[in-house]
Amino acid sequence: EVQLVESGGGLVQPGGSLRLSCAASGFTFNIYWMHWVRQAPGKGLVWVSRLNSDGSGSSYADSVKGRFTISRDNAKNTLFLQMNSLRAEDTAVYYCARAGRAYYMDVWGKGTTVTVSS
Amino acid sequence: QTVVTQEPSFSVSPGGTVTLTCGLSSGSVSTSYYLSWYQQTPGQAPRTLIYNTNTRSSGVPDRFSGSILGNKAALTITGAQADDESDYYCVLYMSSGIWVFGGGTKLTVL
Repeated sequence: EVQLVESGGGLVQPGGSLRLSCAASGFTFNIYWMHWVRQAPGKGLVWVSRLNSDGSGSSYADSVKGRFTISRDNAKNTLFLQMNSLRAEDTAVYYCARAGRAYYMDVWGKGTTVTVSS
Repeated sequence: QTVVTQEPSFSVSPGGTVTLTCGLSSGSVSTSYYLSWYQQTPGQAPRTLIYNTNTRSSGVPDRFSGSILGNKAALTITGAQADDESDYYCVLYMSSGIWVFGGGTKLTVL
């Protein structure tokens, strides 16, 4: 079964850091691009970042550029999102998603919750 | 900054047909945006419905269809069912290498 399981969410103070993980199973992880997408409470989906299959190319939403870093460990089938200088507006459920071939998200995890508050 | 527009809410009667749209604040949506559609019920992860404007994802019933209507993309649901009551999101791939979601449409079936 194809599965993505996020972890690492929690409560963090403004200005703090957090590292999210996404464990992949049931497919050949190292040939797929991967995404992070977030959803603030009561709000819509927002694309955060994307990483290509070997980790050599990435892109970010303007709202997180320079603060967040996407990476992966293909030997461990795991995607990461390092989040620094966190702000209250980064509070959200963070989903990882596998990228389908036609520039879309074809498999989603259940998400992990990040709360930025003092 | 590119803004992707969707109707905030829509309602449809059971068995009826509804068309949700996805547009751009400036310009027209075309197949070059590799548009995709997602369904999300409260507390759940999104589910992929349509990709590449009009290709149904695996397991999605054929009463969901995607198209281009005029200068917008459209998601049409025919024979609406109670469990179609969800939030629907479109997302466009931009040539700059980023993706932009629309604000979502809350569909009520009543």
